[in-house]
Amino acid sequence: EVQLVESGGGSVQPGGSLRLSCAASGFTFNNYWLHWVRQAPGKGLVWVSQINTDGSNTNYAGSVKGRFTITRDNAENTLYLQMNSLRAEDTAVYYCVREFTTSSGRRFDYWGQGTLVTVSS
Amino acid sequence: DIQLTQSPSSLSASVGDTVTITCRASQIMSNYLNWYQVKPGKAPKLLIHTASSLQSGVPSRFTGSGSGTDFTLTISSLQPEDSATYYCQQSFSSPRTFGQGTKVEIK
Repeated sequence: EVQLVESGGGSVQPGGSLRLSCAASGFTFNNYWLHWVRQAPGKGLVWVSQINTDGSNTNYAGSVKGRFTITRDNAENTLYLQMNSLRAEDTAVYYCVREFTTSSGRRFDYWGQGTLVTVSS
Repeated sequence: DIQLTQSPSSLSASVGDTVTITCRASQIMSNYLNWYQVKPGKAPKLLIHTASSLQSGVPSRFTGSGSGTDFTLTISSLQPEDSATYYCQQSFSSPRTFGQGTKVEIK
């Protein structure tokens, strides 16, 4: 059974840092691109960042570029999101997401349960 | 970046009704369009991938169609458990953008 379990969320003051983790199991971790997607309270889904299978290629939403860093440890089957210089507008539930790719397309087929990040003074 | 515009932003319908949600992309993207269902406190759930393919385990009352820039999600015979917010998402290019969501309420 595919499982994605996020951890590391919590409350932090503006300007602070947090590191989110996503422990994966039930599939061959290093075969999949992974993403972080967030949802602020009462708002829609927003893509945050992506990383390819070996970690050599990453991409970020403009709102987090330069502040967030996505990495992965394929030996430990774990995805990370280092979040620095946090702002109130980063308050959201953060989801770890697996992207399944075939010759006909790509989709986010498994999502974690999410971890809440609250940035407030 | 590809922008996705969903309409309507919300709708209210009765059990048994058929509802349609539209997603329009800012550029042609073949069939690289997916639909997700989000309920409060739950992880998003993939319903439809590559515009019209039903994800395993999803009831057949959910259908997707479209190609290019215009896509639709249709829910036939609406059920109480379909009360949720629905999002389209493009996987044609990075960043993998989402529509703004359509909230479906049951009367």
